[in-house]
Amino acid sequence: QVQLVQSGAEVKKPGASVKVSCKSSGYTFIGNYIHWVRQAPGQGLEWMAWINPNSGDTKFAQKFQGRVTMTRDTSIRTAYMELSRLGSDDTAIYFCAREMVTSTTGVFDLWGHGTLVTVSS
Amino acid sequence: IQLTQSPSSLSASIGDRVTITCRASQAIATYLAWYQQKPGKAPKLLIYTASTLQSGVPSRFSGSGSGTDFTLTISSLQPEDFATYFCQHLNDFRFTFGQGTKLHIK
Repeated sequence: QVQLVQSGAEVKKPGASVKVSCKSSGYTFIGNYIHWVRQAPGQGLEWMAWINPNSGDTKFAQKFQGRVTMTRDTSIRTAYMELSRLGSDDTAIYFCAREMVTSTTGVFDLWGHGTLVTVSS
Repeated sequence: IQLTQSPSSLSASIGDRVTITCRASQAIATYLAWYQQKPGKAPKLLIYTASTLQSGVPSRFSGSGSGTDFTLTISSLQPEDFATYFCQHLNDFRFTFGQGTKLHIK
């Protein structure tokens, strides 16, 4: 079955870090970029970053520069997103998404179920 | 580039024809996608490059537009279509999303 399965919900204190995993199955992991998109409670979607699972290359939205680390383990077909120095405004559902291979970038054709990260003292 | 969707909220009945608009602050050719999101679920791709229907998406969904003005049309609303819809700028590393349009049952 083609899917992305994410790790479970997390509760973190302000200033801490969180690492979310995204495990792929049913397709060639290194064939598609993986993106991370977050959604604050009741809010819209915010793109954060992507990783090329083949090369390990990454790119981040400017607002997350220096706070987000993207890695992958090709042996277990899993991508990771670590966000550091958490603040209350980082409380959100974090989605991983697969980018479709087309001539146009940014088409997300497969999404993980989301991981709720709650930042609270 | 900013994407502004209208309306933010919309009430409609089963069988209605519904149109949602997405306006870009600058011309973006046809680099636009539409997603559907139901409560507690991940977004689902409906349309990309403004008018290409994603595989498996019912043909009652269609997209049009280019430049700055885009529309998503649902030709005959079904019960499962009540959800929030987002547009997204493609081919730009910021991949900006619109703020969403929530479609309610009237």
